[in-house]
Parts: sequence; C-alpha cells; structure tokens
Amino acid sequence: KAGVTQTPRYLIKTRGQQVTLSCSPISGHRSVSWYQQTPGQGLQFLFEYFSETQRNKGNFPGRFSGRQFSNSRSEMNVSTLELGDSALYLCASSLEGIGSPLHFGNGTRLTVT
Amino acid sequence: GNSVTQMEGPVTLSEEAFLTINCTYTATGYPSLFWYVQYPGEGLQLLLKATKADDKGSNKGFEATYRKETTSFHLEKGSVQVSDSAVYFCALRASETSGSRLTFGEGTQLTVNP
Repeated sequence: KAGVTQTPRYLIKTRGQQVTLSCSPISGHRSVSWYQQTPGQGLQFLFEYFSETQRNKGNFPGRFSGRQFSNSRSEMNVSTLELGDSALYLCASSLEGIGSPLHFGNGTRLTVT
Repeated sequence: GNSVTQMEGPVTLSEEAFLTINCTYTATGYPSLFWYVQYPGEGLQLLLKATKADDKGSNKGFEATYRKETTSFHLEKGSVQVSDSAVYFCALRASETSGSRLTFGEGTQLTVNP
C-alpha cells in the first residue's frame, strides 16, 4: 500500500510570493491534516480536512489555507510568504476513530529567502 | 490547554544500554497517547500508542504505559541499537472530537554509539 505522498520535496521561494503544497493520502483515508515543523516551535497543527470540509484549525494566520478534493487529496497554500514561514511542512492521513494513528509523509521543505 | 513535556535532549547512549525518555502531559478528559519517531530527512512514523489508562503500547522492543495517576507515558527500551538513533516525539490526541489534531512534545534526539 502506498504511503502518504507529498510534493514537491523541496521548495525555495522569495518573501511576498505564494506557494502551494500537495498531499496524496493513503488510499481509503479520508482525513488529511497538515503540520508545520520548525526548530524553534516544534510541530504545530495547521488544519485538518475530512470529506472536503475543514474540521479543525490551529492558530495560524489567514495566510495559511487549505482544501481537500473529492479524492481526498489535499493542498495547502501560503500567501505573502514571510521569512518565518521557512519550515518542514508535514501532511498526515488517517482513518476515523479514537486512537487512529496518523501516517505522515516525508514533508515539503520550504525555504523563504 | 493541552500540553506535552518531554525530557530534554540530546540523549547519547552506547549500544545495548537501557533507554528511558520521559513524557508527561496535561489534558482534560481522557486523551490518547502516542510515540512517534523521525529519522533524518523523513516524516514521522508511529512507534506505539495507548488509548486508555493502564494500556501498554509496544513495538520493536519499545514500550510505554499510559499512567493516568502520574499523567505520564514514558518510553523505554531494554537494549538500544545504533539503528534506533532518531528523534522521538511524544504526542496526545485530546479527545475523539480532536480529529487529527495532535499536541506534540518538543522531541528528544537519541544518538546510539557502537
């Protein structure tokens, strides 16, 4: 069974630009969530989508947005990039139910210059 | 709010040594608890989990017991190998309504020397 696939693996953008990251979940998983990982803040939850609807949202500014398609694939968008947005962005998918583990992709490394 | 606190790293051990990484949590209700491991250049992999008090999660020689009385979920392994070198994260899911929202600890870097 294929794992969670994130594209691209690496991205370099300039301050003020926008970026779109893509995530394909494990087949059959309907929940997709996004996390930001930085050395200073650690792992922080961005948002979760389930059946094309945002179900949970973390404490990030509105520049961070996402969506989910009918095939469960998800994209996240960051507009007006800032230097502090440089991070590893991790996508995770899961089945429903308490205790269902998250399966993470290898992430997209975003560098903002 | 919910929070997870892990012992400070980095931790350096010799091969075959005993490993303990402490994890304590703060949460209302009855959270589910997880240990994830991250190898260089990769995403997180689930190592083990426990969904209720006194549950013991185990995998690949690692164990952790959900202790509600001490709000802890310490990770242990009896004999570490060089291949166990990685960053370990303790995490909680506060409730079923949390969906996929996990709260992570800061991570503990483990290095095992031959």
